[in-house]
Amino acid sequence: QKEVEQNSGPLSVPEGAIASLNCTYSDRVSQSFFWYRQYSGKSPELIMSIYSNGDKEDGRFTAQLNKASQYVSLLIRDSQPSDSATYLCAVKRGGGADGLTFGKGTHLIIQP
Amino acid sequence: SQTIHQWPATLVQPVGSPLSLECTVEGTSNPNLYWYRQAAGRGLQLLFYSVGIGQISSEVPQNLSASRPQDRQFILSSKKLLLSDSGFYLCAGQPDSLNSPLHFGNGTRLTVT
Repeated sequence: QKEVEQNSGPLSVPEGAIASLNCTYSDRVSQSFFWYRQYSGKSPELIMSIYSNGDKEDGRFTAQLNKASQYVSLLIRDSQPSDSATYLCAVKRGGGADGLTFGKGTHLIIQP
Repeated sequence: SQTIHQWPATLVQPVGSPLSLECTVEGTSNPNLYWYRQAAGRGLQLLFYSVGIGQISSEVPQNLSASRPQDRQFILSSKKLLLSDSGFYLCAGQPDSLNSPLHFGNGTRLTVT
């Protein structure tokens, strides 16, 4: 059973602080990992991809991957009210074309 | 770059009526295409995927079906809608390698009454 687990939140963070979002996955053969942001009533939009262990930075966003612990995280620095959204963690096993497995998402609220 | 078009944006249908949702892709050829559903309070559920014309794989048995009559067209259908079919339907495409991310269309919010 492929599973991706996230804390549903809400996670409340003051404006300007660092928001930390976490995700665990159960399938050890997973190879590709993604973070999507979804505003209420909208479709998910890709914000980060990560494929190897370690950190990957893109602007205010840093994705962290630890395959041994089966753990992926997303850090958002200098959080802004516009970052308030649901963040979805997605995992791809690799090899086949059977899409991504998504977590249920963490609802993030940035307090002005 | 790849763009996914979906319509309509919202749809209200009575129980027992048919359904047809269309998704078209711009900017890439021979993409892998996907239909996901997001029900209230639940995660994204993969319904169908397609690696080419006429090739459909079903992830969840239900009263929905999918077809891919052209390379860049993916259709989700039902002969008779159930109340439980209500949800946010999302079409997604994967343009390149099998490890690349999916890109979503704007979605169709379906309410079955």
